[in-house]
Amino acid sequence: SQQGEEDPQALSIQEGENATMNCSYKTSINNLQWYRQNSGRGLVHLILIRSNEREKHSGRLRVTLDTSKKSSSLLITASRAADTASYFCATDDNNDMRFGAGTRLTVKP
Amino acid sequence: KAGVTQTPRYLIKTRGQQVTLSCSPISGHRSVSWYQQTPGQGLQFLFEYFSETQRNKGNFPGRFSGRQFSNSRSEMNVSTLELGDSALYLCASSLGRAYNEQFFGPGTRLTVL
Repeated sequence: SQQGEEDPQALSIQEGENATMNCSYKTSINNLQWYRQNSGRGLVHLILIRSNEREKHSGRLRVTLDTSKKSSSLLITASRAADTASYFCATDDNNDMRFGAGTRLTVKP
Repeated sequence: KAGVTQTPRYLIKTRGQQVTLSCSPISGHRSVSWYQQTPGQGLQFLFEYFSETQRNKGNFPGRFSGRQFSNSRSEMNVSTLELGDSALYLCASSLGRAYNEQFFGPGTRLTVL
């Protein structure tokens, strides 16, 4: 069963704009990760944030984590057409890794 | 370093048959996890192996099984295939537990007719 739920399910923006995706989860976690998947291919790890961290940056990516609200957000700044993909959050609660349903991001050139 | 490799990449089977999928992790990675991805259910965790031992198992029937060899390569087997088993099967490896950064293979696309 899935743990995380991404919001929105789909997002369409113009190149250069920022994209924000949200993830909510249900149980206590050790860490939360974000992955990207290009159509029908394997997932690529983007960033990991631990439960005792509140914000993390990696290049054009910014991730926040609010454990009190059991939610995380992924911000992609200055988006590019190559950022078009599905984005998933994944949570680790010591039992298994659970992925959300994903946000389908389309960046129009 | 070579990435995670999965074989075969595509597979077509008929109902009732069984199938074995293979995954070779990144050299040095001891944890291998398997996931099933379908449009309806999304990414579902199947199981995780570490040093030839199954550490965690997702909520799948016993028709789904796996194993890991001493060189960390892993196989998963699905017996008595059903139409609903059609999916992309993804393997991921990591250094320690699966809860660290995982490196995914390209997947095996299984179609059950």
